[in-house]
Amino acid sequence: QVQLQESGPGLVKPSGTLSLTCAVSGVSVSSNNWWSWVRQAPGKGLEWIGEVYHSGSTNYKPSLRSRVTISMDKSKNQFSLKLTSVTATDTAVYYCARYVPVNGLSYPSTFDYWGQGTLVTVS
Amino acid sequence: QSVLTQPPSVSAAPGQTVTISCSGSKSNIGDNFVSWYQHLPGTAPKVLMYQNNKRPSGIPGRFSGSKSGTSATLGITGLQTGDEADYYCGTWESSLSAWVFGGGTKVTVL
Repeated sequence: QVQLQESGPGLVKPSGTLSLTCAVSGVSVSSNNWWSWVRQAPGKGLEWIGEVYHSGSTNYKPSLRSRVTISMDKSKNQFSLKLTSVTATDTAVYYCARYVPVNGLSYPSTFDYWGQGTLVTVS
Repeated sequence: QSVLTQPPSVSAAPGQTVTISCSGSKSNIGDNFVSWYQHLPGTAPKVLMYQNNKRPSGIPGRFSGSKSGTSATLGITGLQTGDEADYYCGTWESSLSAWVFGGGTKVTVL
C-alpha cells in the first residue's frame, strides 16, 4: 500500500525558510512517477507548488519558482520542499502527493496518493 | 485567480443531480487530460475522475466526468449527504509547464 507522510516544523518565522519532508512507503521514489507538493491556504483552494522526478527534473509554479526547491533523497525514499523568504501568505496546509504520468501505472495523469497534510503557520 | 474557472458553489436536495463545470483554454483543458478531486476538510484530497471520464476503483458510478473542447464537467447523481465537500478540477497548463487546479466548488446537500 502506497503511503505518503509529511513532516516538518509547524511554525516558521517571517522571512525564514519553510522545510518539509515527505516520507514515501510502498513504492520507490525512483519509480515512474512525479512527486509533488500542493498547499491549501485558509479559506482558499488547492494550489500546486511543484514536482520532482527521480531523474532530478523539476517543475514549479511560475509565481513561486524563485523561492522553491523540491528535491529527492532516494536512499531514504523521500522528497522535500524548501520555500524561502516566507510571509504570512505562505501559511497553509501542505500536502505531498504522487502524480502518475500519462504512461504510468495506476491512474495516469492524476494525483492518486496524497499525504494527510501538515499545517505550517508563518508567524 | 485560477486559470480554470469553477462555480463557487452548487446545491441540490438528496437524490438529485448536480453538475460542476470547469472552464479553461486550449493550453490547459483543450490539450490535456482533466482530473477531479473531492476534498473534505481535514482530509487528503481524493481522486474521483482521471483522464476526463475514468473512475478509479471504488468510486461509485454516481460520479461521471466529461470533457468538450476547453471545458470539463463533473456530474453527481443520486446526491447523498456524504457528498458534501469541495470539488476541484485540475489539468496541466502547457504554456506554464505547471499543473493548475480550479478554484474549487462547494457542494451542499439541502
